[in-house]
Amino acid sequence: GAVVSQHPSRVICKSGTSVKIECRSLDFQATTMFWYRQFPKQSLMLMATSNEGSKATYEQGVEKDKFLINHASLTLSTLTVTSAHPEDSSFYICSALNTGELFFGEGSRLTVL
Amino acid sequence: GENVEQHPSTLSVQEGDSAVIKCTYSDSASNYFPWYKQELGKRPQLIIDIRSNVGEKKDQRIAVTLNKTAKHFSLHITETQPEDSAVYFCAASRGGGSYIPTFGRGTSLIVHP
Repeated sequence: GAVVSQHPSRVICKSGTSVKIECRSLDFQATTMFWYRQFPKQSLMLMATSNEGSKATYEQGVEKDKFLINHASLTLSTLTVTSAHPEDSSFYICSALNTGELFFGEGSRLTVL
Repeated sequence: GENVEQHPSTLSVQEGDSAVIKCTYSDSASNYFPWYKQELGKRPQLIIDIRSNVGEKKDQRIAVTLNKTAKHFSLHITETQPEDSAVYFCAASRGGGSYIPTFGRGTSLIVHP
């Protein structure tokens, strides 16, 4: 199946700093990628839909200035958590569609101290 | 928008028993229903899916049923094994170009040896 790679898998940062997470489709082109946030023992909450070459579509309640998404190429989308705070600590997962099936990245665990 | 309810949140079975996870959805236009398995600390992976033109689909020990009239679908795992232990998510979407899956809250399946 298709491969989606996410980096970094773990990141620890100080409060107030910004963190960038990359999501790459390794063997296919992804016009659309999705970014999810997952709290412990909870479901995948869609944050935004990333569209190549255009602005991301954010879900209600997600601050677009807080979670910057850039989809500059057909194989790369990035999520930048700006001015991170402890409440932003979570598991972030990206995914991309290929031939109708959704493939997920490995996920990135963000811990903000 | 779509709303997906999933039950139970936790399911504990003995090895060899069957496990059933149920989901309901609200959007009558949804026509694609995938199921994902997420092992601890790993990415969700598609295990089986069903489209609205089919009532049942089976793949070895896993089967999914769909009742479009009642707007519910279920995952059935027979002869459970300890390696089946994971969190299972159902999802519903309209498919095609407007494919944005909505996930259920997840079911933590524990198979005791």
